Amino acid sequence: GQNIDQPTEMTATEGAIVQINCTYQTSGFNGLFWYQQHAGEAPTFLSYNVLDGLEEKGRFSSFLSRSKGYSYLLLKELQMKDSASYLCAVNKGNTPLVFGKGTRLSVIA
Amino acid sequence: NAGVTQTPKFRILKIGQSMTLQCTQDMNHNYMYWYRQDPGMGLKLIYYSVGAGITDKGEVPNGYNVSRSTTEDFPLRLELAAPSQTSVYFCASSRQGSGANVLTFGAGSRLTVL
Repeated sequence: GQNIDQPTEMTATEGAIVQINCTYQTSGFNGLFWYQQHAGEAPTFLSYNVLDGLEEKGRFSSFLSRSKGYSYLLLKELQMKDSASYLCAVNKGNTPLVFGKGTRLSVIA
Repeated sequence: NAGVTQTPKFRILKIGQSMTLQCTQDMNHNYMYWYRQDPGMGLKLIYYSVGAGITDKGEVPNGYNVSRSTTEDFPLRLELAAPSQTSVYFCASSRQGSGANVLTFGAGSRLTVL
């Protein structure tokens, strides 16, 4: 099976840095995705990691350690518009993505 | 380029009624998916399809049916609606089924069963 764990809620201050962790247990690992979902909207793709290491894309970075079954999403210079849910999803072989329950991030002034 | 289009956006059903959620994509993607999302529960896969004429069950298929007669369309049918099917339903599509298979989601359909 695939167990994907991430914190339910986080709060951070505008302009700060926040790290959202995701741990997973799966066989046949074939990549990890992060999606952003604003309230009442559809999820949108943020990042994809299949090799160990850090992938940087503007204010957002995503890290993967396959040996530890661990990933994090790092958001820098937080803005109010970053308030959203962040979904970690794991790809196993050719099967569809399995999503974690998501982390709801609130950015406060 | 419309991407993934779902209809209806909102619907209220009575227990025992049936309905079809429509989903169409214009990106010529082979893979299509139906997920449901309940508060605090993330996205759960209902059914998916790897191409026209091929469908397979996901994690929570009971009470639902799908068909894939064309590449573009992947309707989800609810038979005998139950309150447990109150949820937000998302259709998605992707070009491939593994690797960097980025999912493109529709805007969602909010269904309430009373």
